[in-house]
Amino acid sequence: AQSVTQPDIHITVSEGASLELRCNYSYGATPYLFWYVQSPGQGLQLLLKYFSGDTLVQGIKGFEAEFKRSQSSFNLRKPSVHWSDAAEYFCAVGPTLTYGNKLVFGAGTILRVKS
Amino acid sequence: DVKVTQSSRYLVKRTGEKVFLECVQDMDHENMFWYRQDPGLGLRLIYFSYDVKMKEKGDIPEGYSVSREKKERFSLILESASTNQTSMYLCASSFEQGDGTEAFFGQGTRLTVV
Repeated sequence: AQSVTQPDIHITVSEGASLELRCNYSYGATPYLFWYVQSPGQGLQLLLKYFSGDTLVQGIKGFEAEFKRSQSSFNLRKPSVHWSDAAEYFCAVGPTLTYGNKLVFGAGTILRVKS
Repeated sequence: DVKVTQSSRYLVKRTGEKVFLECVQDMDHENMFWYRQDPGLGLRLIYFSYDVKMKEKGDIPEGYSVSREKKERFSLILESASTNQTSMYLCASSFEQGDGTEAFFGQGTRLTVV
């Protein structure tokens, strides 16, 4: 079965510092991987997605993620964090017709940005 | 832009009440989903639908049912609300394009059962 692990529940970084949020997945084939962001009181917004090809994926708001098959990881990065990046971030795998056409989410990582 | 609209942002209901959460999407998406979001657990799939009048159970369907009479509308029903159903509920929709299709989310409904 598909599963996603986000090892860090909370992360605090200083404004202007670099950021890396970790995501590990378990999947039986080539995964489709997503990062979503949820600002307080809002729904989820797609940051970026990986389907195939180049393992470094660029997204919105200056975020990027790198797919590493050997480590089953899809970590999200940003070189310089802004206070407006404070939010909860979710990694997800799927959907595929084989595994029921649904997204499977990790538990989320709450990012706090200190000035 | 794709728009997924949930009818209520906040709801407070009493234990035992029948509760309806409504979701409407305006992009003619085939797939619609209901997720429940709880701290430390992420999003868990309750039910999804890939066509009108079609539904499939997700990971936590107990205590819930759904209805999809029209393509654009997907309703989540709590037959007899309980306090352990206090949560944030998120609706999503996507095209039926096969593998890797992106899902679009509504703003969420925060339900409190007292």
